[in-house]
Amino acid sequence: KAGVTQTPRYLIKTRGQQVTLSCSPISGHRSVSWYQQTPGQGLQFLFEYFSETQRNKGNFPGRFSGRQFSNSRSEMNVSTLELGDSALYLCASSLALGTTEAFFGQGTRLTVV
Amino acid sequence: KQEVTQIPAALSVPEGENLVLNCSFTDSAIYNLQWFRQDPGKGLTSLLLIQSSQREQTSGRLNASLDKSSGRSTLYIAASQPGDSATYLCAVSRNTGNQFYFGTGTGLTVIP
Repeated sequence: KAGVTQTPRYLIKTRGQQVTLSCSPISGHRSVSWYQQTPGQGLQFLFEYFSETQRNKGNFPGRFSGRQFSNSRSEMNVSTLELGDSALYLCASSLALGTTEAFFGQGTRLTVV
Repeated sequence: KQEVTQIPAALSVPEGENLVLNCSFTDSAIYNLQWFRQDPGKGLTSLLLIQSSQREQTSGRLNASLDKSSGRSTLYIAASQPGDSATYLCAVSRNTGNQFYFGTGTGLTVIP
């Protein structure tokens, strides 16, 4: 059974550029959530999607956005990149809402120079 | 706002020792609590999920307990092995969504 797949694994971008990260959840999973992990702030929630609808959003600026497609794949976009956006971005998928286990991908390491 | 704390921040033990990792949270109105491990530069691996109506879960050498009223969870690792060396994270979710609040983790080193 394939796990959560995140692409690309590594990215280097310049300040001011934009970037799109992709997450393919486990087959049959309909919930996808995104997290940012940095040494200083730890793991912080970005947003959560279920059946193509954003259910919750964390405390991040509007430069961070996301969407989910009908096949449950999700993308997140960061516009006007800043040095502080350098982080490991993790995606998690769950079968449904609430009581089910969350499975994480290997993450996308974004470096902004 | 939910605050999740993990103590200790780092732990070093000799191989074979039993150990306990602690997690506390400020808001007892949680839905799930999940323990993860993270190897350097990698994603999170799920270890155990405890639903709010449960008090403990076991998987192999791992046992996790949950006391919602006191806002605490413990992860017990029996007969530790060098392969157990990693950062262990606990996370709690609220309402019916999958938004997790994470602790800062405990870095475990098991010395052969």
